[in-house]
Amino acid sequence: QQQVKQSPQSLIVQKGGISIINCAYENTAFDYFPWYQQFPGKGPALLIAIRPDVSEKKEGRFTISFNKSAKQFSLHIMDSQPGDSATYFCAAASGGSNYKLTFGKGTLLTVNP
Amino acid sequence: NAGVTQTPKFQVLKTGQSMTLQCAQDMNHNSMYWYRQDPGMGLRLIYYSASEGTTDKGEVPNGYNVSRLNKREFSLRLESAAPSQTSVYFCASRRWGPDTQYFGPGTRLTVL
Repeated sequence: QQQVKQSPQSLIVQKGGISIINCAYENTAFDYFPWYQQFPGKGPALLIAIRPDVSEKKEGRFTISFNKSAKQFSLHIMDSQPGDSATYFCAAASGGSNYKLTFGKGTLLTVNP
Repeated sequence: NAGVTQTPKFQVLKTGQSMTLQCAQDMNHNSMYWYRQDPGMGLRLIYYSASEGTTDKGEVPNGYNVSRLNKREFSLRLESAAPSQTSVYFCASRRWGPDTQYFGPGTRLTVL
């Protein structure tokens, strides 16, 4: 049972364009939705995160849009740059002190110069 | 402040051999996690330790054991390695309250 579904698997965008990655979840107990960025040979690093009490969060060129009723959330990267080329993972968590993340399968983003 | 460190970085094993992957964090975090990453599969949780003295199974625990040695260290043991355990293994830690998990650089394991 895949609790967090992520699409697309891969994405190619031109420099300056908008990159959009989508995720859908099933478990309504999830209360924390982070996005992680991973460069080749490195561990994932937190990019931006949102809680379900807000519909949007923006940090620089990165924005999370959250639709609680549809159980969907998405990452928008504005003015995409070649340095943004990486694998992006959405995730969801619940559980208080027993908290653990459930990850999507990842999206490989390539930004062409 | 090194964050989360993992040793070794690379390892090649033969089927049936055993080994322990080491993880340590210097951020005084309560919780620690072990994941495996396979192409097209994302990150899957193997075991986690919500606090010192406790461990719990994640999504894919079969073939693995863990030890939370102290607050800083959390090790993952493969008793009898199988080719299906060829993967990149990541350790992560989290302090209660903020939900950010910090990941280590990973261990690339190949089982022949």
